[in-house]
Amino acid sequence: KNQVEQSPQSLIILEGKNCTLQCNYTVSPFSNLRWYKQDTGRGPVSLTIMTFSENTKSNGRYTATLDADTKQSSLHITASQLSDSASYICVVRKAAGNKLTFGGGTRVLVKP
Amino acid sequence: DTAVSQTPKYLVTQMGNDKSIKCEQNLGHDTMYWYKQDSKKFLKIMFSYNNKELIINETVPNRFSPKSPDKAHLNLHINSLELGDSAVYFCASSQVGLAGGTDTQYFGPGTRLTVL
Repeated sequence: KNQVEQSPQSLIILEGKNCTLQCNYTVSPFSNLRWYKQDTGRGPVSLTIMTFSENTKSNGRYTATLDADTKQSSLHITASQLSDSASYICVVRKAAGNKLTFGGGTRVLVKP
Repeated sequence: DTAVSQTPKYLVTQMGNDKSIKCEQNLGHDTMYWYKQDSKKFLKIMFSYNNKELIINETVPNRFSPKSPDKAHLNLHINSLELGDSAVYFCASSQVGLAGGTDTQYFGPGTRLTVL
């Protein structure tokens, strides 16, 4: 069964600190993996997309990594800000049929 | 200008009623989607639609039906609402066909549906 598992479910960090979110998947065959940020009461917004050949990609203070061999991805937030408080959702696209599988998200709360 | 807009933002209604949620995108995209986000925050796709093809998630009850008056609009109509339909519904759009399936979906702000 194609699945996307995210950990932790939630975390609290102090402003200015770094954190790393994990995404493990079993989706196969793999096409790409995307990280979304969803602010409370808003729709998800794409942060990064990674294809099979990419190991790391940055978008400002967000850095995503991908290990297609172990089927793992991480999202690292550097020098967190209060505005980083949100849910972060990992989404994997299957190559055959173009189907998307969503993870359950990690809720991040940044405290001053 | 809002790229993907939905109305209403909040919808409270009684069981058994019929309701519609409207969605409009001004991005010129060829494909639109409806998602349901439950209380556990999982996003599940309900429909994807372009002017050629409607793809329905087989788990969606036939009380739910998408209606597209034109390429920029995909409305969601729900018949005989049930308590379990309470959730946040998101509309999204993308330009399908990019190499490697890398098209980005742009989401609307969501409609919180509460069925009493």
